[in-house]
Amino acid sequence: GESVGLHLPTLSVQEGDNSIINCAYSNSASDYFIWYKQESGKGPQFIIDIRSNMDKRQGQRVTVLLNKTVKHLSLQIAATQPGDSAVYFCAEIVQGAQKLVFGQGTRLTINP
Amino acid sequence: EAGVAQSPRYKIIEKRQSVAFWCNPISGHATLYWYQQILGQGPKLLIQFQNNGVVDDSQLPKDRFSAERLKGVDSTLKIQPAKLEDSAVYLCASSLVALGEQYFGPGTRLTVT
Repeated sequence: GESVGLHLPTLSVQEGDNSIINCAYSNSASDYFIWYKQESGKGPQFIIDIRSNMDKRQGQRVTVLLNKTVKHLSLQIAATQPGDSAVYFCAEIVQGAQKLVFGQGTRLTINP
Repeated sequence: EAGVAQSPRYKIIEKRQSVAFWCNPISGHATLYWYQQILGQGPKLLIQFQNNGVVDDSQLPKDRFSAERLKGVDSTLKIQPAKLEDSAVYLCASSLVALGEQYFGPGTRLTVT
């Protein structure tokens, strides 16, 4: 069925360190994945996406890795800054379903 | 460009009362979505419009929830009557095309007491 879940509900990192947020999905028919950032009191904001025919995609300070063998994707944030504090969601679109399914989310906290 | 606008930002009602939320999408965006986000969870799609037609309302509790997008622009989501479990943030999003990048509004936080 459609399900996207996250390994850890919270993640605490030191400012300047790299952050890695993980996400597991169960539907092998999922063909498009998106990471969103949601700050307190705001709606989710698109960060980066990846299609199932890719295994890595890089943006500014962010990298998404997709491992289809184990149905796992991760979001790596380089040199984490205080402004990166937020809840991060992975979301998937299952081929043919035509809708976005969100996982539960990971709260990222930055320690000074 | 202006983002997705939603109002009100907060609403507190008693159970069995009615409530309505309003959304103004980004100009030119044909697709509009309403999501329900319960505290600690990811958003869940309630209904998706393409222009003024419904594309997907499979997860909309139709006995109490209704939504419309009469002129293919603004949309309203109504709950009547509200239950305690309807307490959540209701997010509106829009995209230029179906399954295009979605832009979210700030949401309406509903508390049902």
